[in-house]
Amino acid sequence: TQLLEQSPQFLSIQEGENLTVYCNSSSVFSSLQWYRQEPGEGPVLLVTVVTGGEVKKLKRLTFQFGDARKDSSLHITAAQPGDTGLYLCAGENRDDKIIFGKGTRLHILP
Amino acid sequence: KAGVTQTPRYLIKTRGQQVTLSCSPISGHRSVSWYQQTPGQGLQFLFEYFSETQRNKGNFPGRFSGRQFSNSRSEMNVSTLELGDSALYLCASSLTGQGASYEQYFGPGTRLTVT
Repeated sequence: TQLLEQSPQFLSIQEGENLTVYCNSSSVFSSLQWYRQEPGEGPVLLVTVVTGGEVKKLKRLTFQFGDARKDSSLHITAAQPGDTGLYLCAGENRDDKIIFGKGTRLHILP
Repeated sequence: KAGVTQTPRYLIKTRGQQVTLSCSPISGHRSVSWYQQTPGQGLQFLFEYFSETQRNKGNFPGRFSGRQFSNSRSEMNVSTLELGDSALYLCASSLTGQGASYEQYFGPGTRLTVT
């Protein structure tokens, strides 16, 4: 069974700090996506990474896809209260199925 | 462009009943996927429909079924509800549902509570 492990499960930090969350698997994915979900809403797509070693930036968010396409990281610089939410990674496997990690619940304290 | 819409947003049912949830994808999107989200298991894939055909299926019992109409709108049905079916049911649409740049857009979900 393919799994995407996300760490940490929970993270609570002060506004202005930097943080990194991780998404790891023993399987290769053809693409990997990051979503943010707020309470009572569906996940919102942040980015898709496709190429091993790819780095994408979205304002203060930096996403990296591992060289072997088995893992990914999300780095947030100078976190703000608006960054609070559940961050989910999802990988597309060879069977064209999307596998989701269980998420990192991030809370930014003002 | 309107986003993915799901109805109803909230639903309370009793054990043994059945329920039908509806999803309207983004205009032009032909793939609709359904997910169940619970605190313990996270997001789990139920099934995916493309051009009115079920193209992929997750590991859920036969009580969970779905269909897609010619206008790409989709419904999912859960029969003989159990307490463990209480969850947020999410629908996601994408253009084709496949490929290296597979991108899904989620609706707000239907919160189902089974008592």
